[in-house]
Amino acid sequence: DAGITQSPRHKVTETGTPVTLRCHQTENHRYMYWYRQDPGHGLRLIHYSYGVKDTDKGEVSDGYSVSRSKTEDFLLTLESATSSQTSVYFCAISARTGGRETGELFFGEGSRLTVL
Amino acid sequence: GDSVTQMEGPVTLSEEAFLTINCTYTATGYPSLFWYVQYPGEGLQLLLKATKADDKGSNKGFEATYRKETTSFHLEKGSVQVSDSAVYFCALSNTGFQKLVFGTGTRLLVSP
Repeated sequence: DAGITQSPRHKVTETGTPVTLRCHQTENHRYMYWYRQDPGHGLRLIHYSYGVKDTDKGEVSDGYSVSRSKTEDFLLTLESATSSQTSVYFCAISARTGGRETGELFFGEGSRLTVL
Repeated sequence: GDSVTQMEGPVTLSEEAFLTINCTYTATGYPSLFWYVQYPGEGLQLLLKATKADDKGSNKGFEATYRKETTSFHLEKGSVQVSDSAVYFCALSNTGFQKLVFGTGTRLLVSP
């Protein structure tokens, strides 16, 4: 196991409410990612982080914000959830060898979010 | 921008059949290519990768060859098992491995 835990694993919420998903790693990896998985779209990158307080947008970042105040935690926040944000959210960390990324991502088990 | 196109599924096979899942890509430069697999209820895990043209990645009986001339990275297995039933994602990285771009995934169903 790559030491990634996501919480909560399942959440049902109502439109307009704020939601925060947490990703915790025990591997001390520099790069962390949030993806969403939807039928017909595969995985799409929402945001990623390359260090504490260093984050950048992915291809579907609208409506999402992230924070990384510690190496081990990467939070994804939906300030005001919408039905279009119903999805399965995956956190991932990037494997490193010899101080360089290898391209292999280790994924968490996913957080299923339903916005009613 | 960079993109990956996979064949639509589901792909339905009988046990011991030959598998091919097609993947083509569009990218500038010389990307690295990956196949990830997702078993039911789990996150994705790396199946194999190739980092330069003509490289062959292999793992668990699966193989894929990086074909720059056809911009393809097709996944093959000579004899599938029921336990291979999963969703397979082709992906590329063109930014020093810092970001991966995934295809839409192909579901494989293998029956006994």
